[in-house]
Amino acid sequence: GQQVMQIPQYQHVQEGEDFTTYCNSSTTLSNIQWYKQRPGGHPVFLIQLVKSGEVKKQKRLTFQFGEAKKNSSLHITATQTTDVGTYFCAGNNRNNNDMRFGAGTRLTVKP
Amino acid sequence: KAGVTQTPRYLIKTRGQQVTLSCSPISGHRSVSWYQQTPGQGLQFLFEYFSETQRNKGNFPGRFSGRQFSNSRSEMNVSTLELGDSALYLCASSLGSGSHSPLHFGNGTRLTVT
Repeated sequence: GQQVMQIPQYQHVQEGEDFTTYCNSSTTLSNIQWYKQRPGGHPVFLIQLVKSGEVKKQKRLTFQFGEAKKNSSLHITATQTTDVGTYFCAGNNRNNNDMRFGAGTRLTVKP
Repeated sequence: KAGVTQTPRYLIKTRGQQVTLSCSPISGHRSVSWYQQTPGQGLQFLFEYFSETQRNKGNFPGRFSGRQFSNSRSEMNVSTLELGDSALYLCASSLGSGSHSPLHFGNGTRLTVT
């Protein structure tokens, strides 16, 4: 079945440092979505990428979708304490509309 | 618009019992998905309902079941509870079914099985 792998599992950074989380799928995806879950909260939708090679930005966040539509990344520039949380990717299988979440990357930021 | 509402927020059950969780989607959303979240396993997909029909199902035993009503509200049921069923159960609604619609999650129901 479809597997969505996400690394790293944990990332601890000093405030102001950059952060990147990577997502890889065993199958070609129709699209990929990114979510953020604050501690004690629920996942909140951030963005969706659909096109091969697509890059989208939201302020300090940059999202990329690979050319083969099998991998994606989320990069945060100059992290802030408000960025703390777990970031999940969720890939949709092109063939069966099956959405699978990555295990998430838990980001902690030291002020 | 009101968000996704899940009830109850917390539940404590004993092994062997059964439990029913409820989810009211955002008004106008016809798709409801259920996820199990545990520290070790992340977000595991249970099933998705759209217009009262189960569209997709994850790899969970038959003890886990669900349904959707004509008003799009959904329930999931877990029978013969096991200790390993302790988790946060998240419901998410979306406008359309599956792939291209962002999921809007509720606050979840935290189930503890003793």
